[in-house]
Amino acid sequence: NAGVTQTPKFQVLKTGQSMTLQCAQDMNHNSMYWYRQDPGMGLRLIYYSASEGTTDKGEVPNGYNVSRLNKREFSLRLESAAPSQTSVYFCASRTRIGTEAFFGQGTRLTVV
Amino acid sequence: QQQVKQSPQSLIVQKGGISIINCAYENTAFDYFPWYQQFPGKGPALLIAIRPDVSEKKEGRFTISFNKSAKQFSLHIMDSQPGDSATYFCAASMEANSGYALNFGKGTSLLVTP
Repeated sequence: NAGVTQTPKFQVLKTGQSMTLQCAQDMNHNSMYWYRQDPGMGLRLIYYSASEGTTDKGEVPNGYNVSRLNKREFSLRLESAAPSQTSVYFCASRTRIGTEAFFGQGTRLTVV
Repeated sequence: QQQVKQSPQSLIVQKGGISIINCAYENTAFDYFPWYQQFPGKGPALLIAIRPDVSEKKEGRFTISFNKSAKQFSLHIMDSQPGDSATYFCAASMEANSGYALNFGKGTSLLVTP
């Protein structure tokens, strides 16, 4: 009953460093998503993957890349971190319209 | 370009009172409207959801009211309890494209006082 698992939970990066946020789901969901949450801004979609082998940009994709490694895993990469990318990142998955989207516990990222 | 607008940003309600959070949308292609609840340090979790073919849905103390013509929907929490203190997000999505991605409002921080 793991659901959606994100790693790491916390991370501090220096400006210009790169890192990959990992996400895995064990519910056999087709669609996976990356959101960022900032105070007063709600949850904004960064990238999504409607199905294995496809990825598309969301509302705020600049500075990020994604990989849908297989049906279970969807990673988010910051190639050159900037302070503006300090945020809490959530991965989510769902199977189709009208069904619940399940969220991970989040990754709190600070870029200094 | 926020596709779903949510108000108020914060709300304080006394225990036993009614909490009301409102959302509005523009895209008439949206056909699924969930509300998510988030506690500090946790990911959002589905609270209740509605499709546009009904005007109201009730689950326990939580009710969604939906007005298709006005493109608005709201969450009512009856008999609010301190344990309801959390951040609430409305959202909308559409079938047929965008991988069923949810478009979220900016959230409402609810505090229920004893």
